[in-house]
Amino acid sequence: GAGVSQSPRYKVAKRGQDVALRCDPISGHVSLFWYQQALGQGPEFLTYFQNEAQLDKSGLPSDRFFAERPEGSVSTLKIQRTQQEDSAVYLCASSLAGQAQETQYFGPGTRLLVL
Amino acid sequence: GDSVTQMEGPVTLSEEAFLTINCTYTATGYPSLFWYVQYPGEGLQLLLKATKADDKGSNKGFEATYRKETTSFHLEKGSVQVSDSAVYFCALSVNDYKLSFGAGTTVTVRA
Repeated sequence: GAGVSQSPRYKVAKRGQDVALRCDPISGHVSLFWYQQALGQGPEFLTYFQNEAQLDKSGLPSDRFFAERPEGSVSTLKIQRTQQEDSAVYLCASSLAGQAQETQYFGPGTRLLVL
Repeated sequence: GDSVTQMEGPVTLSEEAFLTINCTYTATGYPSLFWYVQYPGEGLQLLLKATKADDKGSNKGFEATYRKETTSFHLEKGSVQVSDSAVYFCALSVNDYKLSFGAGTTVTVRA
């Protein structure tokens, strides 16, 4: 079946622009995660949804970052007034129920470059 | 806080060589441990996992044993192939949903 998809795959933004990154999780997966992966580093947790509820946003680096999942399926990560330090790959993952031992399935990521 | 430290790369090997990537962790609770792999041009995918001490995860010829006494989860493969060239990430999750990843180890296997 279809895996997690993300769009766009690449995004170039000028400093100060707003961007929106989309994630389509695996159908039926309750839990959805966003991670940020800087060049040469491992992914860092940003936020977690269970259905439409955002249960944890402790990893969002600033109030310029905002995520939503209004109908419990597709999610959007929005970054306002982008800065150069926001340049990274943004990964979305989904899992069936979000338990600790459960496999998270990752999308291909969106590579954001802020100039 | 909870964290993972893994062997720095890059690692370059010849085909059929033995591969070990070291991973140690620090955790306040009893973590589940994972190895994820990222092949060139592809997304992260789970390679193997172990959820309690002394468990051994295995997949595609790779193995890792959850060692509580040494807080380690080293990845091993006895005979690597060119197709094993990838970036390998060790990760943990402690009683919740967040994955904490290591920095990744790039492995290149030469024919």
